Amino acid sequence: EAGVAQSPRYKIIEKRQSVAFWCNPISGHATLYWYQQILGQGPKLLIQFQNNGVVDDSQLPKDRFSAERLKGVDSTLKIQPAKLEDSAVYLCASSLSGTGNEQFFGPGTRLTVL
Amino acid sequence: AQKITQTQPGMFVQEKEAVTLDCTYDTSDQSYGLFWYKQPSSGEMIFLIYQGSYDEQNATEGRYSLNFQKARKSANLVISASQLGDSAMYFCAMRESPGGGNKLTFGTGTQLKVEL
Repeated sequence: EAGVAQSPRYKIIEKRQSVAFWCNPISGHATLYWYQQILGQGPKLLIQFQNNGVVDDSQLPKDRFSAERLKGVDSTLKIQPAKLEDSAVYLCASSLSGTGNEQFFGPGTRLTVL
Repeated sequence: AQKITQTQPGMFVQEKEAVTLDCTYDTSDQSYGLFWYKQPSSGEMIFLIYQGSYDEQNATEGRYSLNFQKARKSANLVISASQLGDSAMYFCAMRESPGGGNKLTFGTGTQLKVEL
């Protein structure tokens, strides 16, 4: 069974530029999560989708971050414009349902904002 | 207040020895779940073990066991017979329900180094 796929793996941009990350969850997984992991910290949930609907985006900085999951499968997370403090690893995870025990994580995208 | 506290930024253990990684949590929910994840240098989060708040027995998965002490709100991870490949960052996480969906709140992690 293929795992959660993410691209790109690494991205370097200048502040005020825009960037987009892509995630393809495990086939059949209804729930998709985007986490932000700043160096030295644990992951922090940015947004949770159930199929193509948003369940929780309370910690998403909506003035600059946006995410979509149009067909209930893959998802895109965008930052526009980027700030220095957005430098982090962005992890995508998926689970069978919103109440399942296990979330499966992708390899992450390491973003550096200069 | 921190919901998940991991007080050990770094731990060293000799190969084949057992090691305990500490985790305390804070919640007012009656129903919650506790997780441990391993994050090697490659960056991927690997699920290790899960303990539900109503589970009466401590969870075990191979060399991993979770020492769950509900009254003390602690959920320590015990790794038996450490291997060099166990060197990684370890995160404790909590899922609160029902309103929290399946959102996980993570601690700051413990860096484990297994030595020969």
